[in-house]
Amino acid sequence: DGGITQSPKYLFRKEGQNVTLSCEQNLNHDAMYWYRQDPGQGLRLIYYSQIVNDFQKGDIAEGYSVSREKKESFPLTVTSAQKNPTAFYLCASSRQVNQPQHFGDGTRLSIL
Amino acid sequence: GIQVEQSPPDLILQEGANSTLRCNFSDSVNNLQWFHQNPWGQLINLFYIPSGTKQNGRLSATTVATERYSLLYISSSQTTDSGVYFCAVESDYKLSFGAGTTVTVRA
Repeated sequence: DGGITQSPKYLFRKEGQNVTLSCEQNLNHDAMYWYRQDPGQGLRLIYYSQIVNDFQKGDIAEGYSVSREKKESFPLTVTSAQKNPTAFYLCASSRQVNQPQHFGDGTRLSIL
Repeated sequence: GIQVEQSPPDLILQEGANSTLRCNFSDSVNNLQWFHQNPWGQLINLFYIPSGTKQNGRLSATTVATERYSLLYISSSQTTDSGVYFCAVESDYKLSFGAGTTVTVRA
């Protein structure tokens, strides 16, 4: 089945630790995105990538990093510089930018 | 950036009732999407509707781009319609989300 797979579903981070969230898609989409959702709020864009080996900062990129070495993969690293990382993280993809975005099931990150 | 306002923030319905959700946005956009987020956090595409009207079963949506608003209609609501409905607009390759409308359908 074609789709977007995020792993893990739940992730716990210790203070001062970097963690990486995985996002893989087999839809052959060029564009991929990372969003953060806090309780009771809408989604906010962290980073997006229009094509392999290219990515751009979104509205809340500080404390996060990404890479796009393969078309199907767009991992997000939450660094120790992100002081309030507890949130629900959603990955999305679209055929190209300005096309409908489709979402994975998300990863819930918590601080121990 | 673009401001997206959704109303009402909360909606409680009796099963079988109809309702209208509204999304206002502050500037011209390339496209607009409606999503339903279920209690498990999954975000489901409902409509991709930069303009005009679309229908999918008991749901329909209308976007009037020149007046910068979109409406989502739910008819004959069911308990499975419960969740949060988000409107998101795209400009400069980025989706900007509203805060959502939380819909609770009671049996």
